[in-house]
Amino acid sequence: DTAVSQTPKYLVTQMGNDKSIKCEQNLGHDTMYWYKQDSKKFLKIMFSYNNKELIINETVPNRFSPKSPDKAHLNLHINSLELGDSAVYFCASSPDRGDYGYTFGSGTRLTVV
Amino acid sequence: KNQVEQSPQSLIILEGKNCTLQCNYTVSPFSNLRWYKQDTGRGPVSLTIMTFSENTKSNGRYTATLDADTKQSSLHITASQLSDSASYICVVSASSSASKIIFGSGTRLSIRP
Repeated sequence: DTAVSQTPKYLVTQMGNDKSIKCEQNLGHDTMYWYKQDSKKFLKIMFSYNNKELIINETVPNRFSPKSPDKAHLNLHINSLELGDSAVYFCASSPDRGDYGYTFGSGTRLTVV
Repeated sequence: KNQVEQSPQSLIILEGKNCTLQCNYTVSPFSNLRWYKQDTGRGPVSLTIMTFSENTKSNGRYTATLDADTKQSSLHITASQLSDSASYICVVSASSSASKIIFGSGTRLSIRP
């Protein structure tokens, strides 16, 4: 199946821990994104990579570090997790940086306790 | 400030009935407007995209309208089905940069048999 897949789907962890979320797309898209969906359901962009190059880095704590080993993968590593990091994180991809026909992954629900 | 507001926040209708969801935006300059459907536990899926010059666009039982003068859009669902139960998100792009894409918080639609 052609898709954007992210793992894990659920992640429960204690404050202060370090965790990673992985994302892979097999659509051949050049651009990938990380979005955060807060409790009020707003989706806000965090990062965007185009062909492994960081092109968008919104105001996000530097505890969040994206890594793109190749254009099909964009992982998100979070250090020293805080309660406020609890949210649903969505990975998405689009054919290029100017085309917003996003394909979203199913989301990772992160709960920090 | 660029904002996208949707109404109502939630809506319950009987199967087979029609409904209309509203989206008002203050995003400027305007590039395009998309409606997404987000099923519970899934990522958003694009339904329609409209540019400045388009007034209406249909996708099956979904019809979106756009009034660029009043900065309003609506999504009309005809002959609703149980599978239409989802959140519907209005997304407005201010330019070609993904950092200028503003998501509404969505309307939660529930279809009752």
